[in-house]
Amino acid sequence: AQSVAQPEDQVNVAEGNPLTVKCTYSVSGNPYLFWYVQYPNRGLQFLLKYITGDNLVKGSYGFEAEFNKSQTSFHLKKPSALVSDSALYFCAVRASKSSASKIIFGSGTRLSIRP
Amino acid sequence: EPEVTQTPSHQVTQMGQEVILRCVPISNHLYFYWYRQILGQKVEFLVSFYNNEISEKSEIFDDQFSVERPDGSNFTLKIRSTKLEDSAMYFCASRLAREYEQYFGPGTRLTVT
Repeated sequence: AQSVAQPEDQVNVAEGNPLTVKCTYSVSGNPYLFWYVQYPNRGLQFLLKYITGDNLVKGSYGFEAEFNKSQTSFHLKKPSALVSDSALYFCAVRASKSSASKIIFGSGTRLSIRP
Repeated sequence: EPEVTQTPSHQVTQMGQEVILRCVPISNHLYFYWYRQILGQKVEFLVSFYNNEISEKSEIFDDQFSVERPDGSNFTLKIRSTKLEDSAMYFCASRLAREYEQYFGPGTRLTVT
């Protein structure tokens, strides 16, 4: 079965420093991977996806993610963190090849950026 | 930019009562989903809906749950007889036919007392 794991419950970074939020996946076949962000009392906002192609994918708000097939990882990165990046981040994977396939979410990582 | 909308934002109901959560997906999207998130826990899949029928449902989505697309714009989730453990944030999502990412609404916080 498809799954994703986020090994860190919380990541703390100083503003202006680079940030990384880790995600590893387990899939059969080609992985379809996503990152979502959830701000307090808000829904899940789509940040970026990897379907195929370049291993480095760029998304919203200056975020990017690196797909690494050998390490089965899809880490979220940003070169310079902002206080406003503080939120809950979810890695996710498409569950199957069925056209209506659900998304399976990781447990989430809380990112805290200190001024 | 088009958004998924959900109403109400917060619903308080007594155990055993019926609730209907409403969603308006993005207009040209064809796939619709409901997920829920119990406080402090993972986002869990409930049901997917395409071409006016359920495509897949989870174990959570038992006979107490139903979904409907009553017209061309709304997508509803009904819980017939709510239980305390149904208290959660319920998210509606939709997506285009040719894309894989789903777009989520702001959620409805359901509190069952």
